[in-house]
Order: sequence, then structure tokens, then C-alpha cells
Amino acid sequence: QVQLVQSGAEVKKPGASVKVSCKASEYTFTDHYIHWVRQAPGQGLEWMGWINPNSGGTKYAVNFEGWVTMTRDTSINTAYVEVTRLRSDDTAVYYCARGGDSGAGISMDIWGQGTTVIVSS
Amino acid sequence: QSALTQPASVSGSPGQSITISCTGSSSDVGGYNFVSWYQQVPGQAPKLMIYDVTYRPSGVSNRFSGSKSGNTASLTISGLQAEDEADYYCSSYSSGTAFVVFGGGTKLTVL
Repeated sequence: QVQLVQSGAEVKKPGASVKVSCKASEYTFTDHYIHWVRQAPGQGLEWMGWINPNSGGTKYAVNFEGWVTMTRDTSINTAYVEVTRLRSDDTAVYYCARGGDSGAGISMDIWGQGTTVIVSS
Repeated sequence: QSALTQPASVSGSPGQSITISCTGSSSDVGGYNFVSWYQQVPGQAPKLMIYDVTYRPSGVSNRFSGSKSGNTASLTISGLQAEDEADYYCSSYSSGTAFVVFGGGTKLTVL
């Protein structure tokens, strides 16, 4: 079935970087945007940005510009998000989600299982 | 502070109907028909329930419906069931800085 499978949990020290992967299967990877959304413990959803897997073009939420990078590798149907200069408040579950067919891809119709990133000294 | 405002919690008894509101501005909810609603059971990834204000993805129960009036969107769940107990988030396209914005989430309790 159509799915997004993310990489495993990470524990990082403050100031380090983390790169989370999101592998797509059972659909044409380049036909749908990939969104990245994070959720801090006990908090709501926060949109980080999206990548167009076809062109590689990106759009970041203003809060993430300059320290988050989204990339993709179309040869293996995988999207990535790299978060640099980690701080303790970056501790969260990071989700990738597929942009839906309608509404200019704003809706997110398939979600990965989430990747827990813990930032701790 | 979230860009879209939702009530922190709502509750209802089995069989009843409830409505969750999502208030934004003319730059997001009021200006575009790109409102979505997500259901999140604790410990799980969110699930798309409504997109483009009123449309249900295949497989979502017709007990879930969406609407919009001015700068406020609403999610209505009719015939409430125990399995509907979850957190619900609205989102919208925004012409402001974030491009996609979420509400703070509403915890639905089925009494």
C-alpha cells in the first residue's frame, strides 16, 4: 500500500545536527510534495516546510529558515530533513507527510510513522 | 501561540453530535478553501479526515463533515462513537509567513 517509512529514533547533543529520512513506496514519488511537520512532547503540530520531489524546490516556514534543509533522492524515492544547531527545544517527533492530490497539495493525506529526536547533553 | 485558534477541549456522549471550531483570518481560513482537519490518537501519526474545507478522503466515515463561514472553519462529528476520542487539528494555507498553519488542537472526550 501507499506508505512513507521514516528512519529510527535519534539522540543528539546540543549543537549537533540530525538528518531524518522518509522513504516513499507504492506511488510515483515525484508526483506529490513532501511536507515535514514536528510535534514537541505534549504539544501541537508545527509545519516546518515542504519539498517538491520533482524539482527539488523547497518552501520553509519562517521559523525554520536558515537552520533546516530539505532534500530528496529520486533514485531511491526518499526525502530528507536535516536540522542543524540542535537545541533542547528541538526535541520532538518529526513527521513526513505526502501532499494530497487536490488543494494545491496543502492537505497531507499519507503520514510517516514519525521519528523521535531527543536533544540532551 | 498557534496561528489558528481551536478550543482546547470538547466532549459529548455517544450518539450525540459535536462541532470543533477553527478561527483564523482573511489571510488563511477566510481567504482560501484549503482547510484540512486531522485526527490524532495519542502515540500515532495524524490522519487526514477532511480536506479543502468539505471533502472526505476515501475511507473516512460520513459522520465527519466540514464547513466554513468567514474566517472560521468547523468540523462536525455526528453519531459520536468511543473510537472518535482523539486530538483534532485544523490546518490552512496561509498567505502570511508560514504558508501552512495549524491550529493548537482540540481534545475530544467521549463521555
